[in-house]
Amino acid sequence: DAGVIQSPRHEVTEMGQEVTLRCKPISGHNSLFWYRQTMMRGLELLIYFNNNVPIDDSGMPEDRFSAKMPNASFSTLKIQPSEPRDSAVYFCASSPPGAPRGYTFGSGTRLTVV
Amino acid sequence: AQSVSQHNHHVILSEAASLELGCNYSYGGTVNLFWYVQYPGQHLQLLLKYFSGDPLVKGIKGFEAEFIKSKFSFNLRKPSVQWSDTAEYFCAVIPTGGGNKLTFGTGTQLKVEL
Repeated sequence: DAGVIQSPRHEVTEMGQEVTLRCKPISGHNSLFWYRQTMMRGLELLIYFNNNVPIDDSGMPEDRFSAKMPNASFSTLKIQPSEPRDSAVYFCASSPPGAPRGYTFGSGTRLTVV
Repeated sequence: AQSVSQHNHHVILSEAASLELGCNYSYGGTVNLFWYVQYPGQHLQLLLKYFSGDPLVKGIKGFEAEFIKSKFSFNLRKPSVQWSDTAEYFCAVIPTGGGNKLTFGTGTQLKVEL
């Protein structure tokens, strides 16, 4: 099992540019989560999907952020336009169906907006 | 809504010292409980989990946690820490039958000195 795969590992972009982060969950997992981690705010849940449907997006900071899950094996988190305060590590996690078993996290994307 | 409190934000120990990190949750029903560890520059990894049964749970790398229902606590322990245990530790909870959304504590930064 390859685990949760995120790309890119690092992204440096200029303010105002569009950024797209990608995630491939573990095969067979039906829940997918996007988290943001910063020193100031810690670990924040941005959005999560169940069976490709967004269930809770209350953590999405503002309209500049959007997330999609077109199929069970792929999800994107897009920031348009990006701002320096979006700089953070973005983690994707997935979990299997059935009773909660905890999440498996990806290695994260470190985003720097200059 | 449930919440998780980790009262110790930073802990510094010498090698071979014993460790106990506090975790309290607020939720009236039954819960599933987790401890995750994040080594410097890495993603979160599951240390141990509690669903039911024996309230003393053993995890990887010599860690254990005890669920005390009456105190709403799930403290993490290790009898003798090593320098390699330097990391950030997160407690998390999912209510039983309450969906699949993990609520994380704010984390405890552990530094083990030689």
